Parts: sequence; C-alpha cells; structure tokens
Amino acid sequence: EPEVTQTPSHQVTQMGQEVILRCVPISNHLYFYWYRQILGQKVEFLVSFYNNEISEKSEIFDDQFSVERPDGSNFTLKIRSTKLEDSAMYFCASRVGGYTFGSGTRLTVV
Amino acid sequence: AQTVTQSQPEMSVQEAETVTLSCTYDTSENNYYLFWYKQPPSRQMILVIRQEAYKQQNATENRFSVNFQKAAKSFSLKISDSQLGDTAMYFCAFMNLGIGVDAGKSTFGDGTTLTVKP
Repeated sequence: EPEVTQTPSHQVTQMGQEVILRCVPISNHLYFYWYRQILGQKVEFLVSFYNNEISEKSEIFDDQFSVERPDGSNFTLKIRSTKLEDSAMYFCASRVGGYTFGSGTRLTVV
Repeated sequence: AQTVTQSQPEMSVQEAETVTLSCTYDTSENNYYLFWYKQPPSRQMILVIRQEAYKQQNATENRFSVNFQKAAKSFSLKISDSQLGDTAMYFCAFMNLGIGVDAGKSTFGDGTTLTVKP
C-alpha cells in the first residue's frame, strides 16, 4: 500500500536554528497538509497546499513557517528560527479522497 | 468551523472484551468523511477506519466497527475482542469534502487513551 514518507523521524535542534522537515507524498495525490501535535495535546492543522501554493493556513502558521514543493515530489516544512514551543510531532498528509498520514517527525528544540 | 468532541479522556477494557469509544461532532456541512486514528506510543498516526457521510451503512474493518448516526452527529468506535496491541490513544477526526475554506482540512478530537488489560 502506498505510503507517505517523512524524514527525519527525529530531529533535535538548538533554539534559533532553522529546520527543514521533509515529506514524500503519494505520487497521484494532489492535496498536501502539515499538522502538528504537541506532546499530550490534540493534532492541529498547520497548512494545506494545492497546485503549488498554500490554500489555507492556521494562525499557528506564522512568518516563521514556510512550505514548498521544490521538485514535484518532495513537500517540505521549514521553520526559520525554532523556538522551544515548536517541539512537537509534525505530520505530513496527502490525499485524493481520504487522508494518508506520514509516520511523523519528532522535533525537539533545546 | 467544525468541532469534534471525545468525551472520554481514558478508557480501559479487559483483553478479549468489547469497548466503545465515543465521538460527537458539529458541522453544517453535508459532505464529509469521519475517521478514527490510532496513535501508539511510537506516536505514528494509523488510520483505523473511515466513514463517508453519504453512506448509511456503518463501516467495519475486522474487529473495528463504527456506529454512525448522522442526524445525531455521533460517530462511535467499537473494538471487539480487544487485544493488548490495541492499547493506544484513539483520535476521532472530521474532514469536510465540500468547497470553501475548510475543504479537505481535518479537525481532530482531543483523543481517548485506551488501555487493554491482560
């Protein structure tokens, strides 16, 4: 069964550093998403992406965040200057009908 | 905006018994999906079951089945013959399939921690 692949599975970064989280969606999917889950909290929508542009973003997705699809296959989430409160699981998802979630990247900001 | 409510923060069940997890949602949309996801300690998000709102028949996947009550906006998950490997956090989620700003975005409940006891 096709999978959404996320790398790395775990990243530790120092506060203030830039981090890029990578996702390879399922090849025939058209819609792409990033979600965040802070430990012990619910899963929160960050951003949706369609036709090479952001279609919707939440209030969490401020100027520190950006997304792009640089080569037609990868879908990346960049955090420019990480803060301690950015520590969370980040899930990529893609869809045609229902979602397929990636296995997540655990980001730890120290 | 849609909301999803899981009123049971924690549940436990004896191995081999049946347990039902509750979920209610609020929406004015008519065309949507509902999901149950399992999140084990590894924190992966694993799809358990999906229900299309236009289908009257309740979805089933092996030991997992749902009771979808569209008018009541209720979507409960029943796990039969519970196994130790079912121990996890379970999230109910709603996805609007219509057009507009919320289309395609999933809204999650707070989750229910299920413990299966030997």
